[in-house]
Amino acid sequence: GAGVSQSPSNKVTEKGKDVELRCDPISGHTALYWYRQRLGQGLEFLIYFQGNSAPDKSGLPSDRFSAERTGESVSTLTIQRTQQEDSAVYLCASSRSGNTIYFGEGSWLTVV
Amino acid sequence: AQRVTQPEKLLSVFKGAPVELKCNYSYSGSPELFWYVQYSRQRLQLLLRHISRESIKGFTADLNKGETSFHLKKPFAQEEDSAMYYCALSGNRDDKIIFGKGTRLHILP
Repeated sequence: GAGVSQSPSNKVTEKGKDVELRCDPISGHTALYWYRQRLGQGLEFLIYFQGNSAPDKSGLPSDRFSAERTGESVSTLTIQRTQQEDSAVYLCASSRSGNTIYFGEGSWLTVV
Repeated sequence: AQRVTQPEKLLSVFKGAPVELKCNYSYSGSPELFWYVQYSRQRLQLLLRHISRESIKGFTADLNKGETSFHLKKPFAQEEDSAMYYCALSGNRDDKIIFGKGTRLHILP
């Protein structure tokens, strides 16, 4: 595709429910990243994929968070038993290794 | 350890004044450095990268290997420069790109 695509763009969920966020990277990009950005705050690294393996998942805040990637394509970030502090924008980005990273528009998650 | 440090969380500058956003890095090799920008309600996007040695929207950044810095500069700030700026580092081919915490630039009228 033309750019990194994320869905849903907005999600409101009740506390305790599970949510799944999807990222379609740019075709051919082997590296894929997930970040979290709370309102008015900086980027918080969550996880990095190289192909379908995740050499760095050190940023996942708890075991409620998990992510997977199919081949060098789609990735999903799953948050189980959501809490209010999970409310944030979740950004996905992709790149050819070592090159410019391209961001999606983000999925805005609100936990009520 | 690889690290990118942006010491200022917020920088307020008057319109027309010079701007310098600081970035220092730690990396045991030859990294590639980037500046990314996020304008209000827009996605994060590349502003410039050091290997390009170009000026984008009046901004320049020089890689200083001795001081391990990659500060972003603009001689005369404009109101439309108000945004969040992130410095980033890319190392070996399969290493992940590392971002600093970001600096919010606020241009005062």
